[in-house]
Amino acid sequence: AQSVTQPDIHITVSEGASLELRCNYSYGATPYLFWYVQSPGQGLQLLLKYFSGDTLVQGIKGFEAEFKRSQSSFNLRKPSVHWSDAAEYFCAVGAGAGSYQLTFGKGTKLSVIP
Amino acid sequence: DGGITQSPKYLFRKEGQNVTLSCEQNLNHDAMYWYRQDPGQGLRLIYYSQIVNDFQKGDIAEGYSVSREKKESFPLTVTSAQKNPTAFYLCASSLAGGSTGELFFGEGSRLTVL
Repeated sequence: AQSVTQPDIHITVSEGASLELRCNYSYGATPYLFWYVQSPGQGLQLLLKYFSGDTLVQGIKGFEAEFKRSQSSFNLRKPSVHWSDAAEYFCAVGAGAGSYQLTFGKGTKLSVIP
Repeated sequence: DGGITQSPKYLFRKEGQNVTLSCEQNLNHDAMYWYRQDPGQGLRLIYYSQIVNDFQKGDIAEGYSVSREKKESFPLTVTSAQKNPTAFYLCASSLAGGSTGELFFGEGSRLTVL
């Protein structure tokens, strides 16, 4: 069975600073990887996804993530954080075609200092 | 605008009462899902449905029931058998299997059992 670990429960950064949120996964084959963002009291929105090909994927809102198979990681990055990025971020892994189950990490809450 | 509508947004119930949460989508998606979210726990899958009149248990189905009589609708009943029903419930849908396609989420329903 697949699993996801997000080591950081809460991260605080200053506006304009760079950001990296960590995600490590466990899965025997090539995983399908996702990052979602959730504003307080809202549903989740997809930021980006990786299925195959280029290991650096671009997403919405200026986010990017890099798939590193050797490290079983899929870290999310943004070069300059805006106050509106304050939210909770979830990494998720899926087993691919034919599977309907995504496994989510426990989330990383991002706070942004003006 | 296409999307997923969950109702009610907030719900209070007494212990021992069954509660039904509504989820409607107009995205013409075949697959629909119910997740439960608790603070610091990420999202856990309760039930999912790939097509009308068919659904499967997720990781935490005990104490919950669903139906899928129409493509657009996937209501969740929280029964009195659910030992700790207070949580944030999220409904989602996808075109294809959730592992390969983007999940679109509703804004959630917060259930509090008094």
